[in-house]
Amino acid sequence: AQKVTQAQTEISVVEKEDVTLDCVYETRDTTYYLFWYKQPPSGELVFLIRRNSFDEQNEISGRYSWNFQKSTSSFNFTITASQVVDSAVYFCALSEVNYGGSQGNLIFGKGTKLSVKP
Amino acid sequence: SQTIHQWPATLVQPVGSPLSLECTVEGTSNPNLYWYRQAAGRGLQLLFYSVGIGQISSEVPQNLSASRPQDRQFILSSKKLLLSDSGFYLCAWSEIPGSEQYFGPGTRLTVT
Repeated sequence: AQKVTQAQTEISVVEKEDVTLDCVYETRDTTYYLFWYKQPPSGELVFLIRRNSFDEQNEISGRYSWNFQKSTSSFNFTITASQVVDSAVYFCALSEVNYGGSQGNLIFGKGTKLSVKP
Repeated sequence: SQTIHQWPATLVQPVGSPLSLECTVEGTSNPNLYWYRQAAGRGLQLLFYSVGIGQISSEVPQNLSASRPQDRQFILSSKKLLLSDSGFYLCAWSEIPGSEQYFGPGTRLTVT
């Protein structure tokens, strides 16, 4: 069965600390996509990244980096030198290409609330 | 560029009243459209999706319904609201099924 687990419900750090948000997924598909979204207090979900299952290369975008490891079914997200503006709920999500059906639904984790204190 | 709009932004409705939430997408054609609800606890629940005009699929049986009268318009409705319908409603679109979805600003609904 397909499932996304974000074991960390809430994380609190002090500004400038590095923080890693964990994401573990389960899928029966051999081809799938993984995503990260940010939901600031305003509520709108902001798309951050998509990773294809056949591309395990890690990605860096400014202070954000993503570590995809198929061997452990994990897609972790690290924020380096965190800032107060990073405070938000972060969601990891999965879609299955072959088993996802015509609608290609995204399966979301329950989210991790990150609080960055000044 | 593509943009997605939702209105109203907030809504307070009494139990038993009707509901109509609207979502429109600009800058793209034939998008896949989705309605989600986010209740307390932060989890996202997929309610409806649509791959084309007049094509609606429901994920969860409930007293809500959805319609897609135009290519880039998606409407969420109810004839009689329940207290349990309170929540944050998000509309989203994607270009290809299974690819990233882009979300609107959401509607915060409180049923009293």
